[in-house]
Amino acid sequence: AQKVTQAQTEISVVEKEDVTLDCVYETRDTTYYLFWYKQPPSGELVFLIRRNSFDEQNEISGRYSWNFQKSTSSFNFTITASQVVDSAVYFCALRRDTGKLIFGQGTTLQVKP
Amino acid sequence: DGGITQSPKYLFRKEGQNVTLSCEQNLNHDAMYWYRQDPGQGLRLIYYSQIVNDFQKGDIAEGYSVSREKKESFPLTVTSAQKNPTAFYLCATQREGRVGELFFGEGSRLTVL
Repeated sequence: AQKVTQAQTEISVVEKEDVTLDCVYETRDTTYYLFWYKQPPSGELVFLIRRNSFDEQNEISGRYSWNFQKSTSSFNFTITASQVVDSAVYFCALRRDTGKLIFGQGTTLQVKP
Repeated sequence: DGGITQSPKYLFRKEGQNVTLSCEQNLNHDAMYWYRQDPGQGLRLIYYSQIVNDFQKGDIAEGYSVSREKKESFPLTVTSAQKNPTAFYLCATQREGRVGELFFGEGSRLTVL
């Protein structure tokens, strides 16, 4: 079975706190891709990152960083020094061998000033 | 500006009525997708199209229909056969070669009264 689980339904932090969004996936494919998307209140999802299963290097982009660990089937997303503009729903996704994406349930992040 | 336009943004319909959601893109992308979003369930794929005049069912196609007569347009019809049509509907496109990197519209919220 192919599945993406985001166990955290809602997270609330105060501005400037660091926050980690968890993502655990299941797949039997040896080659796969993982993604994170952000959905702000306006509704459209915005692509944040794609990670190939062969590349386990962590990635940092500004205040965002991603930790990919195949040993634990996890692809966690950390926001450092959170800001109010980070408030959104965040989705982790897995690309199946058919080419289609499986999305997790999403984590709603609220950053309070 | 290039982008994806979904209309209407909000739509109300009575039970037993068909309704068509519009999705237009000027990104010149070949692939187009329709997703349904329900609270706590993430996004689920309804239909997708890789090329004009061709489309495939996704995971929850029952009660929906689509057409792809032009590259720019991928309308979704929610028929009266759809048991629980109240949801948020998102249209997306993908540029060739950009694995899993989807561009989304701002969505259409359908409420059945």
